[in-house]
Amino acid sequence: EAEVAQSPRYKITEKSQAVAFWCDPISGHATLYWYRQILGQGPELLVQFQDESVVDDSQLPKDRFSAERLKGVDSTLKIQPAELGDSAMYLCASSLDSAKGREKLFFGSGTQLSVL
Amino acid sequence: SQQGEEDPQALSIQEGENATMNCSYKTSINNLQWYRQNSGRGLVHLILIRSNEREKHSGRLRVTLDTSKKSSSLLITASRAADTASYFCATDVSNAGKSTFGDGTTLTVKP
Repeated sequence: EAEVAQSPRYKITEKSQAVAFWCDPISGHATLYWYRQILGQGPELLVQFQDESVVDDSQLPKDRFSAERLKGVDSTLKIQPAELGDSAMYLCASSLDSAKGREKLFFGSGTQLSVL
Repeated sequence: SQQGEEDPQALSIQEGENATMNCSYKTSINNLQWYRQNSGRGLVHLILIRSNEREKHSGRLRVTLDTSKKSSSLLITASRAADTASYFCATDVSNAGKSTFGDGTTLTVKP
């Protein structure tokens, strides 16, 4: 069964350093999401892409976070500089086409970020 | 701001018993989805129910939706130790695929 691929699985960094996460959605999925999940809480949407366009980035801290999906396929989420409060699980998800009623989300295994 | 809220926060039952968890939300929705998450892993989709539906089944899972009460419930029948996980509801109010998650119910099924 096709899966959403994410790397790295774990990342440890020092505060003020730059970090980047990569996501490869299921082939053919038009909608891609980045979520942040703090331990004990539900996922919080950071950014939603429809193909290569950003649909919603209202919760993305744009002073330090950036996301891109240049060719409408894989995506990168970057944090620069990282802060202690950024420690969390970063989850990527994709759906066939949320704009056309295909809203079922498929999640990757996530990147666990620890900022020291 | 949080749209969905699960209840209870934690639930512990014996294998073979039924487990019921609830989700309440604040504003009208287009659809509501339930997901399962095993510790340290990504979420797995269980069921999607649309605002014009009242009940859906999938194997041992039964989901109900009461739009007048703005609430949904997930019933897992004849639970197994492998059902131990966190369960989240996600609501979509925008019809644009933007799902907002609650903080989940942690289910422990004892063998």
